[in-house]
Amino acid sequence: AQSVSQHNHHVILSEAASLELGCNYSYGGTVNLFWYVQYPGQHLQLLLKYFSGDPLVKGIKGFEAEFIKSKFSFNLRKPSVQWSDTAEYFCAVNAQTGANNLFFGTGTRLTVIP
Amino acid sequence: DTAVSQTPKYLVTQMGNDKSIKCEQNLGHDTMYWYKQDSKKFLKIMFSYNNKELIINETVPNRFSPKSPDKAHLNLHINSLELGDSAVYFCASSQGRGERAFFGQGTRLTVV
Repeated sequence: AQSVSQHNHHVILSEAASLELGCNYSYGGTVNLFWYVQYPGQHLQLLLKYFSGDPLVKGIKGFEAEFIKSKFSFNLRKPSVQWSDTAEYFCAVNAQTGANNLFFGTGTRLTVIP
Repeated sequence: DTAVSQTPKYLVTQMGNDKSIKCEQNLGHDTMYWYKQDSKKFLKIMFSYNNKELIINETVPNRFSPKSPDKAHLNLHINSLELGDSAVYFCASSQGRGERAFFGQGTRLTVV
């Protein structure tokens, strides 16, 4: 069965600090990987996704993520966070074959202090 | 226009009641989903529908039943509501495997 782990439950940073949120998944096959963000009071939005090709994926708002297949990881990074990045961040995975089903991690709450 | 819309946005109800949450997508997608986000923010797939057929049904109580009158709608009906059903429920849709999923705004269900 697929599963996704996000080890950081709550991260608190000051503005301009660098961000890295961890995401690990367990699945033996080929996967698609996603990072979603949920701003306060809003629905989930896609930050970035990886299907194939360059393992370093750039998304919206200056976010990027690197897929390291050997480590089953897809960590999210941003060089300099802003107060407006305060939100919940969810890593998700689905298999490229079989059932079309997104599995989410437990989420990481990011609080950016002005 | 909202791509995926859920109604109501908030729902407060008593234990034992039966309620429904509606979901509509205007994207022409062929797959729709229901996710449950519990108090710990964990999102768990509940159901997905593809061309009016249930293709994934995780281990959710049979008090929960998805109903899809047509390709653009996937409603969630819940019988005999329990306190533990309190959560935010998200509807989503996508076109094909691995394609971006579009989510609704969520419905916050509170059972008292």
